[in-house]
Amino acid sequence: NAGVMQNPRHLVRRRGQEARLRCSPMKGHSHVYWYRQLPEEGLKFMVYLQKENIIDESGMPKERFSAEFPKEGPSILRIQQVVRGDSAAYFCASSPSGQGINSPLHFGNGTRLTVT
Amino acid sequence: GENVEQHPSTLSVQEGDSAVIKCTYSDSASNYFPWYKQELGKRPQLIIDIRSNVGEKKDQRIAVTLNKTAKHFSLHITETQPEDSAVYFCAASKGYNFNKFYFGSGTKLNVKP
Repeated sequence: NAGVMQNPRHLVRRRGQEARLRCSPMKGHSHVYWYRQLPEEGLKFMVYLQKENIIDESGMPKERFSAEFPKEGPSILRIQQVVRGDSAAYFCASSPSGQGINSPLHFGNGTRLTVT
Repeated sequence: GENVEQHPSTLSVQEGDSAVIKCTYSDSASNYFPWYKQELGKRPQLIIDIRSNVGEKKDQRIAVTLNKTAKHFSLHITETQPEDSAVYFCAASKGYNFNKFYFGSGTKLNVKP
């Protein structure tokens, strides 16, 4: 049973370019979360999605950042016109659906974005 | 919204000693509390969790306690080993349909051999 798959593992972009980060949740999981982690810091919530639906994007910057989780295919976190401050590790996590059940998050290995 | 605070930010212990990491939360509706371990350059991995209907849970050298009245929970690691060295994160969640997690700021544990 494959875990949460993220790609690429490392991504280098020049200022002003676009970054696309992909995440395939664990099999059977329909909830996807994106977190950002700066060096030596904690996990900051960005966005929470179900298939074709954004549940909570309160942690995502209003400009340049967008996320989607289409009916088919992986979840995509898109950062337009990247700046140096976007350099961070971006972790995707997934959990199964289930009313009345709290389930742990399972994290992918992250995408380390470096903006030069 | 929920606010999770975690202490200490760094913790250094001698191999074989115990380590305790504490977290507090603000939303009394939170009902699920996982702990994650993150080694350098790797993904956070779940090590233990506790639900609000339980006061304590143990798994070998790791235990978690929950005090709902005081709204705090703690991670206890006994007989620490160098491979326990990592950053540990606590989290709180209150979702049913929507399972949003709030993380503490992390504790860097260093176990000295």
